[in-house]
Amino acid sequence: DAKTTQPPSMDCAEGRAANLPCNHSTISGNEYVYWYRQIHSQGPQYIIHGLKNNETNEMASLIITEDRKSSTLILPHATLRDTAVYYCIVRTYSGNTPLVFGKGTRLSVIA
Amino acid sequence: DAGITQSPRHKVTETGTPVTLRCHQTENHRYMYWYRQDPGHGLRLIHYSYGVKDTDKGEVSDGYSVSRSKTEDFLLTLESATSSQTSVYFCAISESASGVETQYFGPGTRLLVL
Repeated sequence: DAKTTQPPSMDCAEGRAANLPCNHSTISGNEYVYWYRQIHSQGPQYIIHGLKNNETNEMASLIITEDRKSSTLILPHATLRDTAVYYCIVRTYSGNTPLVFGKGTRLSVIA
Repeated sequence: DAGITQSPRHKVTETGTPVTLRCHQTENHRYMYWYRQDPGHGLRLIHYSYGVKDTDKGEVSDGYSVSRSKTEDFLLTLESATSSQTSVYFCAISESASGVETQYFGPGTRLLVL
């Protein structure tokens, strides 16, 4: 079962920041927060992950609250190509355990 | 994309026929996975492999078998396809960097069972 809660859908204007929230109130100390996205008809794409510090890469930023019970994925300048379903996943960092996907958030970037 | 290919990319078959899907990777990853994706269910794990000849069942393994005779190939077989196995099938590999493991997915295979 997915250990995360995300809104089913969100809209964002093109060029604006998209802020996607995720609740993971039962997260354990050794569990990371991962974000993936799936553009229509394609395989899921890894975006970013974090443990407790905020993280940034070329695709996005990940803000994790101090108590680690929630996080926000930020796409700083959303484009139409960012329209996708975004999945927030909590899992341990090792052991190569399979990912458990929830329903995700469908982000629509609007021109 | 971590060098993952899937074949075929699309397939139409009839109920009762055997079907084999192939996942091929070029980077010697130890762990490989098969997921299926259906509307309203998201991605669900079918089987996974943690090495040559080492496999285990996932959440929705009934009606499926897998084989891994060499590192680069992970095969998913539907022994007798049913309409409920119409789905999009994704293969994934697991890659570790700095002690943290991340999964990367292939492009998917669309299977229609008539």
